[in-house]
Amino acid sequence: EVQLVESGGGLVQPGGSQRLSCAASGFTLSDYTMHWVRQAPGKGLEYVAAVSHDGGSTYYGSSVKGRFTISRDNSENTVYLQMDSLRPEDTAVYYCAREKGGYDYWGQGTLVTVSS
Amino acid sequence: EIVVTQSPATLSLSPGERATLSCRASQSLSNYLAWYQQKPGQAPRLLIYDASKRATGIPARFSGSGSGTDFTLTISSLDPEDFAVYYCQQRRNSPLTFGGGTKVENK
Repeated sequence: EVQLVESGGGLVQPGGSQRLSCAASGFTLSDYTMHWVRQAPGKGLEYVAAVSHDGGSTYYGSSVKGRFTISRDNSENTVYLQMDSLRPEDTAVYYCAREKGGYDYWGQGTLVTVSS
Repeated sequence: EIVVTQSPATLSLSPGERATLSCRASQSLSNYLAWYQQKPGQAPRLLIYDASKRATGIPARFSGSGSGTDFTLTISSLDPEDFAVYYCQQRRNSPLTFGGGTKVENK
């Protein structure tokens, strides 16, 4: 059974950093491009970042470019999102998703709250 | 960045009725468009990819059409479990932008 489990969310102060993890199981992680998508409370979906199957290429949404870094460790079956210089507007549920056609599997999400 | 616009924002319909949701892109996507359904407190679920291909396990009452800049998601006969928010996403160019969503509510 395919599973994606996010962790690392919580309360962080503006200007701070947080690292999210997405643990993958039930499939061969190295076969897939992986993504992070977020959703602010009561709002729609926003593309955050993507990393190619081998980690060689990364892509970012315009609102996080230069502040967030996506990476992966296929040997550990984990995808990461390093978030620096956090702002209150980064408050959201962060989802990890697998790309096949569209996003065919999603995690349950982890909430990041940026507030003093 | 490709801008994706969904309409209407809200659709008020009754069970058994037909739902037609629109998605328009600021430039041609060919057929690189996906549709998702999201219910409160849940992660989104993939319904349609490549504009018209149903994802695994998706009922036949969901269908997608269109190419280029104009796309449609049709639910042929609304089931009570279909009341939710629907998003389209362009997969033509990074960043893979989403539309703002259409809420299908029970009239």
